[in-house]
Amino acid sequence: GNSVTQMEGPVTLSEEAFLTINCTYTATGYPSLFWYVQYPGEGLQLLLKATKADDKGSNKGFEATYRKETTSFHLEKGSVQVSDSAVYFCALNSGYSTLTFGKGTMLLVSP
Amino acid sequence: DAGVIQSPRHEVTEMGQEVTLRCKPISGHDYLFWYRQTMMRGLELLIYFNNNVPIDDSGMPEDRFSAKMPNASFSTLKIQPSEPRDSAVYFCASSLVGVDETQYFGPGTRLLVL
Repeated sequence: GNSVTQMEGPVTLSEEAFLTINCTYTATGYPSLFWYVQYPGEGLQLLLKATKADDKGSNKGFEATYRKETTSFHLEKGSVQVSDSAVYFCALNSGYSTLTFGKGTMLLVSP
Repeated sequence: DAGVIQSPRHEVTEMGQEVTLRCKPISGHDYLFWYRQTMMRGLELLIYFNNNVPIDDSGMPEDRFSAKMPNASFSTLKIQPSEPRDSAVYFCASSLVGVDETQYFGPGTRLLVL
């Protein structure tokens, strides 16, 4: 079956540090991959997505590249801000209507 | 568009009471999903609908939980009777499959059962 594995958090960084949150997946076929972000007290919001191998999704300074050979979709940002503190979820859609989510990784950014 | 709308945003009730959570999906979307989020179990898919028809309710934890979608713009999730272990944040999401696989989430309902 489908599964998504994310690095456990929390990830604690200082402002302007480089961020990487690892995500690997297991899926049949050719899934689409997503990163969602959940700010405190809010619902999940789509951050970025990629629909085929080697695609790069990007938004708000965040990037992730769909790597089929390593079944990975790692999230990166060159310089984090305090306002990026949130929980980040990696997810996949393998052609059906539902998403398979990872457990989420909390990011805490201090000034 | 206003996005997915959920009500109430917060609900505090006593064990044994009936709880009804409401959701209005984004207009034109054909799929609607109900999720539950807790610290212990993370994000769980409870049930989803396609064109108002329930497709998979295997995630519904018990018979105390039921969900309906009487029309394309409204869905309810009902818990009767409620128990303290039902305390969680319940999210509704909608999508337009075939055009965009993205699920759009509502702000959630924070339920506390005392």
